[in-house]
Amino acid sequence: EDKVVQSPLSLVVHEGDTVTLNCSYEVTNFRSLLWYKQEKKAPTFLFMLTSSGIEKKSGRLSSILDKKELFSILNITATQTGDSAVYLCAVDNDMRFGAGTRLTVKP
Amino acid sequence: GAGVSQSPRYKVAKRGQDVALRCDPISGHVSLFWYQQALGQGPEFLTYFQNEAQLDKSGLPSDRFFAERPEGSVSTLKIQRTQQEDSAVYLCASSRTGHQPQHFGDGTRLSIL
Repeated sequence: EDKVVQSPLSLVVHEGDTVTLNCSYEVTNFRSLLWYKQEKKAPTFLFMLTSSGIEKKSGRLSSILDKKELFSILNITATQTGDSAVYLCAVDNDMRFGAGTRLTVKP
Repeated sequence: GAGVSQSPRYKVAKRGQDVALRCDPISGHVSLFWYQQALGQGPEFLTYFQNEAQLDKSGLPSDRFFAERPEGSVSTLKIQRTQQEDSAVYLCASSRTGHQPQHFGDGTRLSIL
């Protein structure tokens, strides 16, 4: 059965820390992997990854995909309180989402 | 509109009642998706439309769930004879073409008493 597993499920850090969120997957017909940030309501798109080893970067956030080992990581450097959210990973074959990692950044 | 709009924002219904949830996608977006999100969980795929065609409804949990998009724009998710386990946030998303990236609405929080 296809699955997407995120770890850790929750994480508490202090402002300025660097965090790494993990997403592993087992799916058939993989097309792409996506990261979203969900605060109170709608998930907002962060990255789409289709190729192994190519880092995508946006400000303090970056992500990379390993299609051989079937995982992706999302890095956030110099965290801020505004980074507090649930980070969702999804695989675009049958639109399967992981359960998310709840990140709390304390001042 | 500027984003995906869902209504109502909140819906409370008694068990056994029928409910209808509406989604207005971003203008011109071909693809439309419905998800169910339980508390503390990631969104679960329900169904997918490309224009008016429902291409995938494999995620609909039972035949009480029905979705339509008759003119290829606004979509309605209908739940008949609601049960307590239907309580969740129902998210709608749209994308220009294909599957990604999707733009999500704020969701409808459905509570079944």
